[in-house]
Amino acid sequence: DIQMTQSPSSLSASVGDRVTITCQASQDISNYLNWYQQKPGKAPKLLIYDASNLETGVPSRFSGSGSGTDFTFTISSLQPEDIATYYCQQYDNLPPVFGPGTKVDIK
Amino acid sequence: EVQLVESGGGVVQPGGSLRLSCAASGFTFDDYAMHWVRQAPGKGLEWVSLISGDGGSTYYADSVKGRFTISRDNSKNSLYLQMNSLRTEDTALYYCAKDSLRYSSGWYPYWGQGTLVTVSS
Repeated sequence: DIQMTQSPSSLSASVGDRVTITCQASQDISNYLNWYQQKPGKAPKLLIYDASNLETGVPSRFSGSGSGTDFTFTISSLQPEDIATYYCQQYDNLPPVFGPGTKVDIK
Repeated sequence: EVQLVESGGGVVQPGGSLRLSCAASGFTFDDYAMHWVRQAPGKGLEWVSLISGDGGSTYYADSVKGRFTISRDNSKNSLYLQMNSLRTEDTALYYCAKDSLRYSSGWYPYWGQGTLVTVSS
């Protein structure tokens, strides 16, 4: 199975800060990488698919990039409503593995 | 509007069985693969199982293979997960999720609210 790692596991940032999360796959997954946001007590929400495509209705402050094994998720200007855990997920091969998550808090 | 509503969770003893259901609406059900994804208390997301739109292909995580069976009834717009030989480590919130593709795994634009399964003696 493909293994997914994320860093950092958690971070605290101020409102308005630029936040970056990285996700690494154990082998080349091309651009078959999604990003989800999960707020406490809620179901996950798709933000980014195919590494860099913004899901309809998702604010443009969220973005994704990368291909192969290394990927980046960015919040250009952190907002209070962005407090959540963010997960990457590969779907190049089955099983479609999720990363361990990155918890984002407000400083 | 796409809606996914899970049901069937509860408390069960180790070794017991449970059947989860997911009622889907707002889209052409048999056009899309469907998934079960679980989340143990305080933990991350774990993919459990996938079924293709026509029900002809199924896939399982190694952790549930041989114990869980995914199925769907396209005439009832419903997805199921039969869980047998349950273990304490199966305790989790179980989500159903709609795929973006029909025959494989892509991205999941829609999720249910989850149903809680607790395996405890």
